[in-house]
Amino acid sequence: DAGVIQSPRHEVTEMGQEVTLRCKPISGHNSLFWYRQTMMRGLELLIYFNNNVPIDDSGMPEDRFSAKMPNASFSTLKIQPSEPRDSAVYFCASLLRGQGEAFFGQGTRLTVV
Amino acid sequence: QQQVKQSPQSLIVQKGGISIINCAYENTAFDYFPWYQQFPGKGPALLIAIRPDVSEKKEGRFTISFNKSAKQFSLHIMDSQPGDSATYFCAASRNTDKLIFGTGTRLQVFP
Repeated sequence: DAGVIQSPRHEVTEMGQEVTLRCKPISGHNSLFWYRQTMMRGLELLIYFNNNVPIDDSGMPEDRFSAKMPNASFSTLKIQPSEPRDSAVYFCASLLRGQGEAFFGQGTRLTVV
Repeated sequence: QQQVKQSPQSLIVQKGGISIINCAYENTAFDYFPWYQQFPGKGPALLIAIRPDVSEKKEGRFTISFNKSAKQFSLHIMDSQPGDSATYFCAASRNTDKLIFGTGTRLQVFP
């Protein structure tokens, strides 16, 4: 398996633009997580899905953020409109419930100017 | 209740020394405590994990010590090597859901 695949690896966008981050989890995994990493706040859990259903989105900072998982092999995190304070590295991770180990993608480095 | 507190924020150790990173949690429902290692430009990767039914787990040079009554756990890296230089995160979860991470420790091992 190629592991968790995220795209794009880097994204530079202007304030106010819509940004869509993509994630392909490991085949067979049934939980998917979106994290945001910054120097100040470390790794923050934004939202997670079990069997494609959003379970907890309490970490989503505000209504500008939305996430979907239309099927078991794809998820998106959308920011609309983007702001400079959204600049961070966004990670997607997946796991097989009961197994414990979460596998992370390489991350998407987002810069909003 | 959901926080995991990690210390120190950064750590400098000489080659061959022992690196110790500490974490504390509040939620007694947590039943899975992993440590993740992250190199620059990469995602975190699982290093070692423990469940609360044991007080210690060792894998090679890496050991987790777990104190259930104090709600604390720590990572010990014996014979630290320059290749161990990375950021280390402790985490906790219940039933492997909602993995909550500590703030991270940047470890630098000098030759």
